[in-house]
Amino acid sequence: GAGVSQSPRYKVAKRGQDVALRCDPISGHVSLFWYQQALGQGPEFLTYFQNEAQLDKSGLPSDRFFAERPEGSVSTLKIQRTQQEDSAVYLCASSLSPGQGARGYTFGSGTRLTVV
Amino acid sequence: GQQVMQIPQYQHVQEGEDFTTYCNSSTTLSNIQWYKQRPGGHPVFLIQLVKSGEVKKQKRLTFQFGEAKKNSSLHITATQTTDVGTYFCAAEPGGTSYGKLTFGQGTILTVHP
Repeated sequence: GAGVSQSPRYKVAKRGQDVALRCDPISGHVSLFWYQQALGQGPEFLTYFQNEAQLDKSGLPSDRFFAERPEGSVSTLKIQRTQQEDSAVYLCASSLSPGQGARGYTFGSGTRLTVV
Repeated sequence: GQQVMQIPQYQHVQEGEDFTTYCNSSTTLSNIQWYKQRPGGHPVFLIQLVKSGEVKKQKRLTFQFGEAKKNSSLHITATQTTDVGTYFCAAEPGGTSYGKLTFGQGTILTVHP
């Protein structure tokens, strides 16, 4: 596609509910990243995939967070037993190859998750 | 972990005035990127700086990377209402940690017509 596509755009979940957020990166992009952006803050790194391999998951806040990219394209971020502190915008970014460097990273529009 | 401090948090200017945001790190950076996020939008890549003392320009925007590669700045000359948004610096560790950006807190720019 022309850009990084994320769905749903908005998600309201009751506390304790499981949610799944989808990211469809730019076609052919090898690297895929998930970030969490709390209100009024900068994005914070969650996890990184190179193709289907999850090379870094050091930013995942707890074992309730799980991400996958089974075929090296679409990725899903799953949050189990959501808590109010999980409320944030979840951003996905992709790049053609590791170390995109001068071209930067292309972010999707994000999924705004509100846990009530 | 790596921390990046960005100031000021807010900046209100009259259209036509200049604007500068500063980014500082306690450690030497491999490179630094700048992103703009419009209200309700997502971060959009502006530029990457890699070399010590590097200066890059994009029309009214001037980006600088410090000699020690620990600080950076973004300067906008003669702001326009289209410049409104939050400007983030983001440090990339380099090595094999590509894309693991550490973002500053951002500077929210408001431009009054």
